[in-house]
Amino acid sequence: QKEVEQNSGPLSVPEGAIASLNCTYSDRGSQSFFWYRQYSGKSPELIMSIYSNGDKEDGRFTAQLNKASQYVSLLIRDSQPSDSATYLCAVSNSNSGYALNFGKGTSLLVTP
Amino acid sequence: GAVVSQHPSRVICKSGTSVKIECRSLDFQATTMFWYRQFPKKSLMLMATSNEGSKATYEQGVEKDKFLINHASLTLSTLTVTSAHPEDSSFYICSASGYRGQTEAFFGQGTRLTVV
Repeated sequence: QKEVEQNSGPLSVPEGAIASLNCTYSDRGSQSFFWYRQYSGKSPELIMSIYSNGDKEDGRFTAQLNKASQYVSLLIRDSQPSDSATYLCAVSNSNSGYALNFGKGTSLLVTP
Repeated sequence: GAVVSQHPSRVICKSGTSVKIECRSLDFQATTMFWYRQFPKKSLMLMATSNEGSKATYEQGVEKDKFLINHASLTLSTLTVTSAHPEDSSFYICSASGYRGQTEAFFGQGTRLTVV
């Protein structure tokens, strides 16, 4: 079973701080890496995608990928209460038709 | 862009009846659509992968005769839960990939199924 591991949290950060979310995966053949945000009772929303080692920035979000360590992270700068949600890490590869394999998610709480 | 619409958003049905859930990619042709289910406080579990014009590929443990998937066109996939039972109550979510030729998957709004 290919695993995607995340700390379930909750991770609590004050408003304006940086939230750091981590994810490890077991399948070395993973090619695509994603972060989704899911609010309670809603479906996941794509936040970031990353395919190569290094950092990728989009607004307040930065995704970091290290394939050698099988590690992917998401940094949220200037965290806002509206960022409070569950963040799902997902990986995929061509062998599985790019079906997403999700971690269990990290619950983030941004306190005013 | 990349809008995926799922309908209905909520459905309550009686035990033993069937329920059909539709998933449409509104502004792109989806090369692949995926169906997931999610139990409370749990992550998404892949049920099946479907490509237009071919039979769906089901994950181990998912009954294909119970969860019928039809992918009739590049913009529409349907999931029919046949002879539903209370244990089938869950949040069902579809996703579609192929937007701008990329592998990113975009999700529909999800369907909350309650079987009574």
